[in-house]
Amino acid sequence: SQKIEQNSEALNIQEGKTATLTCNYTNYSPAYLQWYRQDPGRGPVFLLLIRENEKEKRKERLKVTFDTTLKQSLFHITASQPADSATYLCAPRSSGDKLTFGTGTRLAVRP
Amino acid sequence: GAVVSQHPSWVICKSGTSVKIECRSLDFQATTMFWYRQFPKQSLMLMATSNEGSKATYEQGVEKDKFLINHASLTLSTLTVTSAHPEDSSFYICSASLGDEQFFGPGTRLTVL
Repeated sequence: SQKIEQNSEALNIQEGKTATLTCNYTNYSPAYLQWYRQDPGRGPVFLLLIRENEKEKRKERLKVTFDTTLKQSLFHITASQPADSATYLCAPRSSGDKLTFGTGTRLAVRP
Repeated sequence: GAVVSQHPSWVICKSGTSVKIECRSLDFQATTMFWYRQFPKQSLMLMATSNEGSKATYEQGVEKDKFLINHASLTLSTLTVTSAHPEDSSFYICSASLGDEQFFGPGTRLTVL
């Protein structure tokens, strides 16, 4: 069955450092992969979409990589800030398929 | 980005009553909307896919007679939790697709006493 794995342990880092979150998937051949941010008691907020033919995508302090051979996506936040503290969800998806989420990784950036 | 709203943001009801949650796409039309449920410290679980003008498609294990979905227009989908029980207490989130991207509402916290 299809499976999406994200670090279940919370990631604690110092302000200013780069946060790296991992998303691994199995039994999937996604055409693209999306990353979302979710704050407690709120709906997910779309951050980035990367397609299977893109190795890397950037948006301001965010960078996403997509390795279809390893079946893995890495999500980086550079120069992290306490305001970046949230849960980050990945969602690999094939065109036309429903969006399914990983369990999410909670990021805590300490001042 | 596209905006999806939900109403109400929270609701408390007595066991046995029905609750309706609205989901609206504010600045775009959505032929497909999705309803998710999220329990504490868990990820979002897809409940059903709502298609404008046709019946919703429910995920395995989701009771269609308990969770009634209506998608009457291209900007509005509703989820009605019928005869709610305490185990239905959860965070309900809708989303709408715009191209390949999917945008989420702020969620509705349902508490059934």
